[in-house]
Amino acid sequence: EAGVAQSPRYKIIEKRQSVAFWCNPISGHATLYWYQQILGQGPKLLIQFQNNGVVDDSQLPKDRFSAERLKGVDSTLKIQPAKLEDSAVYLCASSSASGYGYTFGSGTRLTVV
Amino acid sequence: DQQVKQNSPSLSVQEGRISILNCDYTNSMFDYFLWYKKYPAEGPTFLISISSIKDKNEDGRFTVFLNKSAKHLSLHIVPSQPGDSAVYFCAASGGAWSASKIIFGSGTRLSIRP
Repeated sequence: EAGVAQSPRYKIIEKRQSVAFWCNPISGHATLYWYQQILGQGPKLLIQFQNNGVVDDSQLPKDRFSAERLKGVDSTLKIQPAKLEDSAVYLCASSSASGYGYTFGSGTRLTVV
Repeated sequence: DQQVKQNSPSLSVQEGRISILNCDYTNSMFDYFLWYKKYPAEGPTFLISISSIKDKNEDGRFTVFLNKSAKHLSLHIVPSQPGDSAVYFCAASGGAWSASKIIFGSGTRLSIRP
């Protein structure tokens, strides 16, 4: 089974620029998550999708972050405009209806300068 | 408000000995607990889990213990091997149903020395 695919692996942008990350979950996984992991901290949930509907986006800074999951498969996470404190690893994960826990992708490391 | 706490940022253990990683939680609604392992430049990978109806779950060299009254769980690795060197995240969820949100601790970096 192919894993969760994320791109790009690394991204460096200047503050106030915009950036987008892409995630392709494991085939058939209905639930998709975006997590933010700041250095020295554990992953923090930003948004959770069930198919193409949002289940939880309570921790998503909606003034600058947006996410979508068209057709209930791939997802994109966008930051516009970026701030220095957005520097982090952005992890995508997916889970099936019967599985325990998540399968994570390798993440996108974002550096905002 | 940290609901899942890992108070030891790092731990160094000699190869062949037992590694014990600790985790505390505050939310009594949590009923499913997981440990994830993370190598540099990779995403976290699922290691072992335990439901709140159990107090122990074992998988090979890895055993997780749950003390509900103390809201404490621990991961035991025995014997410790060099490949176990990684960051370990404790995590908790409101249910085994995979769509439940998982809350992560801040992680413990385990180093296995020869």
